[in-house]
Amino acid sequence: AQTVTQSQPEMSVQEAETVTLSCTYDTSESDYYLFWYKQPPSRQMILVIRQEAYKQQNATENRFSVNFQKAAKSFSLKISDSQLGDAAMYFCAYRSAYGSNFGNEKLTFGTGTRLTIIP
Amino acid sequence: DTAVSQTPKYLVTQMGNDKSIKCEQNLGHDTMYWYKQDSKKFLKIMFSYNNKELIINETVPNRFSPKSPDKAHLNLHINSLELGDSAVYFCASSLYRQGYNEQFFGPGTRLTVL
Repeated sequence: AQTVTQSQPEMSVQEAETVTLSCTYDTSESDYYLFWYKQPPSRQMILVIRQEAYKQQNATENRFSVNFQKAAKSFSLKISDSQLGDAAMYFCAYRSAYGSNFGNEKLTFGTGTRLTIIP
Repeated sequence: DTAVSQTPKYLVTQMGNDKSIKCEQNLGHDTMYWYKQDSKKFLKIMFSYNNKELIINETVPNRFSPKSPDKAHLNLHINSLELGDSAVYFCASSLYRQGYNEQFFGPGTRLTVL
């Protein structure tokens, strides 16, 4: 079974600075997807960024980028120019690309990192 | 336009009661999921359905019974509620196709069992 580990329960960053959230995972599969989700106080789960394991290029979405190290099974999220609205819980998640038949596409989540933005 | 909606958003009830949470999606998706987020914010899959057929059942107590009357709805019925059932329950949906399929989440239902 796959596991996802987020070793930083809490992080804080000054507004406008850059912060990196860590995620490691364990899998024996070679093809999979990795995600970062944001959960603000509203509870809504918002997809921030995704990475396909077969793609070597790191994904970027505006101020959000990842550092995907497949051999090390590491998937960190970098937030540049932090804004107050970035304050939230951030979850790293894994999804297998195998057995992707109908409905068998569960997400396995890490325990989350609470990010605080200091004005 | 709400993509994935859940009712109710908050549910407070006594131990031993039976309650239901409803989920509806208007995205035309064919797969729906229930996830549970416990008090430590840990999120875990409970069930998935595709075209009204149960696909994933992650060793959830049989007091939990999902029901999918059609592709757009997935309800969760919980019998004999226990204190440990207190959590936030998220519904999600996706459209099956080869490769990547994003899961869209509902707003969550906070269940409190007293």
